[in-house]
Amino acid sequence: GENVEQHPSTLSVQEGDSAVIKCTYSDSASNYFPWYKQELGKRPQLIIDIRSNVGEKKDQRIAVTLNKTAKHFSLHITETQPEDSAVYFCAASLPTGYALNFGKGTSLLVTP
Amino acid sequence: GAGVSQSPSNKVTEKGKDVELRCDPISGHTALYWYRQSLGQGLEFLIYFQGNSAPDKSGLPSDRFSAERTGGSVSTLTIQRTQQEDSAVYLCASSWGDGLNTEAFFGQGTRLTVV
Repeated sequence: GENVEQHPSTLSVQEGDSAVIKCTYSDSASNYFPWYKQELGKRPQLIIDIRSNVGEKKDQRIAVTLNKTAKHFSLHITETQPEDSAVYFCAASLPTGYALNFGKGTSLLVTP
Repeated sequence: GAGVSQSPSNKVTEKGKDVELRCDPISGHTALYWYRQSLGQGLEFLIYFQGNSAPDKSGLPSDRFSAERTGGSVSTLTIQRTQQEDSAVYLCASSWGDGLNTEAFFGQGTRLTVV
């Protein structure tokens, strides 16, 4: 099945700095790459996703890039704020009929 | 309801007992997932249901784990002869599963503690 690796496992940045989280996947047939944010004690929630026919997608302070050749994708958060502190999970899935496979998560801490 | 509902929210059980965890997906969602999250760990895939297709059981850690989805809606995850290492939060998620790989909505999870 699909194998998703995520780095780093922890990341600490100062408020206002940028944060980058990277993921790699194993199956070149994967075509959907969402990112989820999980705040302490809460359920994971989708923050942004990208499909394999797109190289980059932005939504305000967050962006995701995809390199299909290298089989890696990254989450970029600019102008970080303390409320961005959470665990972020990347995921990948094959086309219809297959489950989402998640990375192990990155614990992001934004210090004021 | 508007979201994915799981019950119970907390379950404490004695080692060796069987437990059943329930998931009510969002109405109309054909895809349903079960994940396990141990303390401070990632989302471990357990099982995936898509419509009437045979479920993907490749993530189930042992034959003590099983899951059913009746009528394409409610799902039950059963753990037999529970062990202490089964202690975790069990998360259910559902999505439209219509080929567009849309957002998976998570329930609040069931926190299982095996004592």
